[in-house]
Amino acid sequence: GENVEQHPSTLSVQEGDSAVIKCTYSDSASNYFPWYKQELGKRPQLIIDIRSNVGEKKDQRIAVTLNKTAKHFSLHITETQPEDSAVYFCAASPAGGYQKVTFGTGTKLQVIP
Amino acid sequence: SAVISQKPSRDICQRGTSLTIQCQVDSQVTMMFWYRQQPGQSLTLIATANQGSEATYESGFVIDKFPISRPNLTFSTLTVSNMSPEDSSIYLCSVMGQVYEQYFGPGTRLTVT
Repeated sequence: GENVEQHPSTLSVQEGDSAVIKCTYSDSASNYFPWYKQELGKRPQLIIDIRSNVGEKKDQRIAVTLNKTAKHFSLHITETQPEDSAVYFCAASPAGGYQKVTFGTGTKLQVIP
Repeated sequence: SAVISQKPSRDICQRGTSLTIQCQVDSQVTMMFWYRQQPGQSLTLIATANQGSEATYESGFVIDKFPISRPNLTFSTLTVSNMSPEDSSIYLCSVMGQVYEQYFGPGTRLTVT
C-alpha cells in the first residue's frame, strides 16, 4: 500500500518568512495530492491540492509543487502570518475508483510574531 | 463543499460500553469514510461506509469492534463497541467531493474511563 512520509515534524518561522513542508510517497499509481490544515481542536481543512498532470499550483500565499519522477511534493507558504500556525498534513491518493487517501504524519507549524 | 455534522461532539464513556456516532451530510454523496485521530497523531482510515452494503474495513479494524451503517447517501453511523481506554480518540467522518477531494466533519472526541 501507499506510504507517505512528511518532514519536518515541527517548524518554527518568524512572521513574514517562508515555510516549506516536504512529503514523499511510495506508490507510483498515486496522482492526487491534497494538503490539509488542522487548527487546534478543529477539523482538517483542505487548503490546496495538485494532480499528477500539473507540476505546480499556487493560491495566493500557498503553493504546492510535485515531482512525480522523484515521488515527492512540497507545500510552500510565503509571507507567513500567525494565523498560519497549525498542523499541516500532506496526503496521496489514486484518482478514479476507490479513493483511499493516505496521510502523512503531519507538520506542526508555528509562526512567531 | 458539503456541510457535514456529527453527533455527539464529545462524550465520556465507561469501559465495556458502546457509543454510536452519527454523521449527517446536507447533500447526497457517493463516498463516506470514517477516520480515527489519536492525540497528536495523523488521520487513520477505519473504513469506507458503503451505501446498501457492508463497509470496507482497513487492516487492523474489524466489523465487530467498529460496526458501520450507511442507510442512505446522506447519513452514516459508526459504533465503537466494548470500549477500552485505548479507544479514546477523535473520530471523524469525511465525504468525497466531485473531483476526489475530501471534506471532514467536525469530529467526535471520545474519552473512555
